[in-house]
Amino acid sequence: NAGVTQTPKFQVLKTGQSMTLQCAQDMNHEYMSWYRQDPGMGLRLIHYSVGAGITDQGEVPNGYNVSRSTTEDFPLRLLSAAPSQTSVYFCASSYWTGGKNEQFFGPGTRLTVL
Amino acid sequence: DQQVKQNSPSLSVQEGRISILNCDYTNSMFDYFLWYKKYPAEGPTFLISISSIKDKNEDGRFTVFLNKSAKHLSLHIVPSQPGDSAVYFCAATSGGSNYKLTFGKGTLLTVNP
Repeated sequence: NAGVTQTPKFQVLKTGQSMTLQCAQDMNHEYMSWYRQDPGMGLRLIHYSVGAGITDQGEVPNGYNVSRSTTEDFPLRLLSAAPSQTSVYFCASSYWTGGKNEQFFGPGTRLTVL
Repeated sequence: DQQVKQNSPSLSVQEGRISILNCDYTNSMFDYFLWYKKYPAEGPTFLISISSIKDKNEDGRFTVFLNKSAKHLSLHIVPSQPGDSAVYFCAATSGGSNYKLTFGKGTLLTVNP
C-alpha cells in the first residue's frame, strides 16, 4: 500500500493563479480531510469528506474548493491564490469503527504564493 | 479562540528519562483525544488516543492520561529515546469523528543522548 500520496511536493504560484492539490489513498478509507499548517501553528481543518459525493467545510474553508467523486481521491482547489494561502497542506484519510481508530497523513505539499 | 492549547513550545530531556507533554482543552464537547508525532518535512503520524470514558491509555512506552474535570491531558514517554525527538501535537474531536480534528500548536521535544 502506498498509503496517502500528495502531489506536488512543492509549488510556487503567483497571486490570482489557480491550482489543484492532489490527494489519493489506497486503503479504502471512507473519511478524508485537508489541513493547513502555518509556522508556529497547529494544523487547521480546511474541508473534509465522509464518503464519495459528501463534503463539508472545516475551520478555514474560504478560498478553497473540494470534491470527492471517488473513495480514493480528494483534490483541493485554490480558486484564486493569495499570499495568505502560503502554507503546508496535509491530506489525511481515516477509518473508525468505534473499536479501532486508524488515520494516516500524507507527506504534505509546501505552497508559496507570491 | 484556541480550543486546544499546548502551552510549552519546547521540552528538552535526557535519554532514558521521562518526557511529559501537556495539553489543555476548553471545549466540553470534545470526547476523543489524540497525540501525533511529526518529523520535519513529513506528515504527522498517529501515536496514541484516548476516549473520554477512560482516564488512561497505554501503548508500549507511551501513556496518555486524561483528567476530564481539569480538561487536561498529558502524554508520558518512558524511557525517552533520541528518536523521539520531534514535534508532538495534541488533537481533539467530538463524536469519535477522527476526520475533523482540532489541533494544538505543538511541542518540540528534544531528547539528548
